[in-house]
Amino acid sequence: KAGVTQTPRYLIKTRGQQVTLSCSPISGHRSVSWYQQTPGQGLQFLFEYFSETQRNKGNFPGRFSGRQFSNSRSEMNVSTLELGDSALYLCASSLGLAGDSDTQYFGPGTRLTVL
Amino acid sequence: GDSVTQMEGPVTLSEEAFLTINCTYTATGYPSLFWYVQYPGEGLQLLLKATKADDKGSNKGFEATYRKETTSFHLEKGSVQVSDSAVYFCALRHTGNQFYFGTGTSLTVIP
Repeated sequence: KAGVTQTPRYLIKTRGQQVTLSCSPISGHRSVSWYQQTPGQGLQFLFEYFSETQRNKGNFPGRFSGRQFSNSRSEMNVSTLELGDSALYLCASSLGLAGDSDTQYFGPGTRLTVL
Repeated sequence: GDSVTQMEGPVTLSEEAFLTINCTYTATGYPSLFWYVQYPGEGLQLLLKATKADDKGSNKGFEATYRKETTSFHLEKGSVQVSDSAVYFCALRHTGNQFYFGTGTSLTVIP
């Protein structure tokens, strides 16, 4: 079956603008998690959505927000962009169940560059 | 809180050398443990996982054993290839479906 898809793959914005990234999970997956990956900080958890509700949240400012639709697709929004927001944004989907077998599957990422 | 610590890189090995990438974790209870691999320009791919103590995950010649007594999940491969050059991430999943990742270890295999 199709994997996790993210659009767009590349994005260039200027400081102060806002941006919306999209993630389509694997069919049947109800959990979508977002991560920011930078060379200095590694992989940092932003938030997780499950059945249209934010279930977990990392330690990022309120400029970072997200939502999930009834078809499990998710969007992430970053407002008032800063230079430090330049990163690879990864989306991961999973069944979202509490059992041990649940596993996250990652999309290819969206490379955001803020000028 | 939960966390994962993995050895810092970069690691450079010759082809057919033995690979070990150390990973230790801090968590209460019994998390599931994972290794992910990231090739240049791509997202993370699941390499292997283990869900309980003494489980061994294996895939593509890579192995890792869940050691609760040492809170470790070290990644090993007996003979690396140039195509194994990538960044490797150790991760744990605990209650609430939140994943915690290590900072990644870059591996370069030279012919």
